[in-house]
Amino acid sequence: GENVEQHPSTLSVQEGDSAVIKCTYSDSASNYFPWYKQELGKGPQLIIDIRSNVGEKKDQRIAVTLNKTAKHFSLHITETQPEDSAVYFCAASLNTPLVFGKGTRLSVIA
Amino acid sequence: DTAVSQTPKYLVTQMGNDKSIKCEQNLGHDTMYWYKQDSKKFLKIMFSYNNKELIINETVPNRFSPKSPDKAHLNLHINSLELGDSAVYFCASSQEGGVNTEAFFGQGTRLTVV
Repeated sequence: GENVEQHPSTLSVQEGDSAVIKCTYSDSASNYFPWYKQELGKGPQLIIDIRSNVGEKKDQRIAVTLNKTAKHFSLHITETQPEDSAVYFCAASLNTPLVFGKGTRLSVIA
Repeated sequence: DTAVSQTPKYLVTQMGNDKSIKCEQNLGHDTMYWYKQDSKKFLKIMFSYNNKELIINETVPNRFSPKSPDKAHLNLHINSLELGDSAVYFCASSQEGGVNTEAFFGQGTRLTVV
C-alpha cells in the first residue's frame, strides 16, 4: 500500500519568512495530493490540493509543487504569520482513503 | 452548519468498559471514515464505509465495531477498552466518484482510558 514520508517533523520560522514542508510517496499510481492544517483541538482542514496532471498550484500565500517522476511534493508558505502556526499533514491517494504523512509542527515566531 | 459532527468531544472511561462515538455528516457524501490520531499526531485510517457498506478495515482489533445505519451516519463502538485505545478519533467523509475527493473531518473525540 501507499506510504507517505514527511519532513521536517518540526519547523520554526520567523514571522514573514517562508516555510517549506516536503513529502515523498511510494505508490506511483497515486494521483491526488492534499495538504491539511490542524489547529489545536480541531480536526484537519484542507488548505490546498494538487492532482497528478498539474505540477504546481498556488493560492495566495500557499503553493504546492508536485514531481511525479521523483514521487515527491512540497508545501510552500510565504510571508508566514503567527496564525499559520499549526500541524500540517500531507497525504496521497489513488482512491480514498487518504494516507497521511506524520505531520509537521510549524511554529511562526513573532 | 457543521458539515461533519461527532459526539462526544471528550470521553474518559475505565479499562474494560464499552463506549460509542457517534458521527453524522450533512454533506450528502457517500463515503465515511474513522481515523485514529495517536499521541504523536499520526493519523491512521481505521475504517472506510461507502453507502453503508464496509470497504476497508485496516487491521483494527475486533473490539472496534463500526455501524452505519444510513450513509449520513457512521458510529464507532468499542468493547473492552484498553489503555492503548487512548487517542483522538476523527470521523471524516468524502464524495466518491467525483473529481474532488477532499475529505472533511469532524472535530475529533478525545478518548482517555484510565
